[in-house]
Amino acid sequence: DQQVKQNSPSLSVQEGRISILNCDYTNSMFDYFLWYKKYPAEGPTFLISISSIKDKNEDGRFTVFLNKSAKHLSLHIVPSQPGDSAVYFCAQDNQGGKLIFGQGTELSVKP
Amino acid sequence: NAGVMQNPRHLVRRRGQEARLRCSPMKGHSHVYWYRQLPEEGLKFMVYLQKENIIDESGMPKERFSAEFPKEGPSILRIQQVVRGDSAAYFCASSPGPVGSGNTIYFGEGSWLTVV
Repeated sequence: DQQVKQNSPSLSVQEGRISILNCDYTNSMFDYFLWYKKYPAEGPTFLISISSIKDKNEDGRFTVFLNKSAKHLSLHIVPSQPGDSAVYFCAQDNQGGKLIFGQGTELSVKP
Repeated sequence: NAGVMQNPRHLVRRRGQEARLRCSPMKGHSHVYWYRQLPEEGLKFMVYLQKENIIDESGMPKERFSAEFPKEGPSILRIQQVVRGDSAAYFCASSPGPVGSGNTIYFGEGSWLTVV
C-alpha cells in the first residue's frame, strides 16, 4: 500500500504557464514533506520542503501548498521553463531521514 | 547534489560476485542514508547511519546486504553474492543532522549496478 502517492505519472505544460504537481499521503503522523527533481542518470535534487506548521512555502518560482485535512500537497512552478522538464518526486519524512517517496511525475515543458 | 560523492558511478558484476558502493557525505554532514531505485519504481529507503552506528536498517534486505559508516572514510554499501534482481540505481544521501529539524537530505549522483 502506497503511503505517498503521485497519481499522475506524467504532465505536459506549455512554457510560461503554471505546472501543478500533486501528491497525496496517508500517514498524518509525520509532518515534514520534501520535493525533489530528478534528471535521468542523476541523483535527486532538493527543491523545497514544508512542515505542517505551515500551509505554504515559497522559493522563487516554486511554491508548495499543504492541505492537512485532505492529506494533500502540491508543487506549483510558475512560470514553467523547458529546463524544468524532469521527474518530480514528493517525499514524506517518516522520522529521522527515512523518506517515503511517491512514484514520481514526469514533467515536460514544451517551448 | 553538490558534495555527496559516490563511486563507482557504474558497476557491472556477474551473478555471485560482491558489489561495494562507496559514499562520502557532504562536508560537515554526519548522517548518511542509502536508497535504492529499481527500474520503473520510486526510491526506497534502505538504511540510515551515523558515524560507526546503524540507526535504522528497516529497508535493508535481510540477507546479503550490509552497510557501514566507519569513523574514518566513506560509507560502504556491500552486496554479497549479487543476483539479477539487485540491478538498480543506489543513491547515497547525507544531512547535517536529523531530518525535519530544519535539516534536509542531499543526494549523490548515484551508483548504477548491473548484474549480468
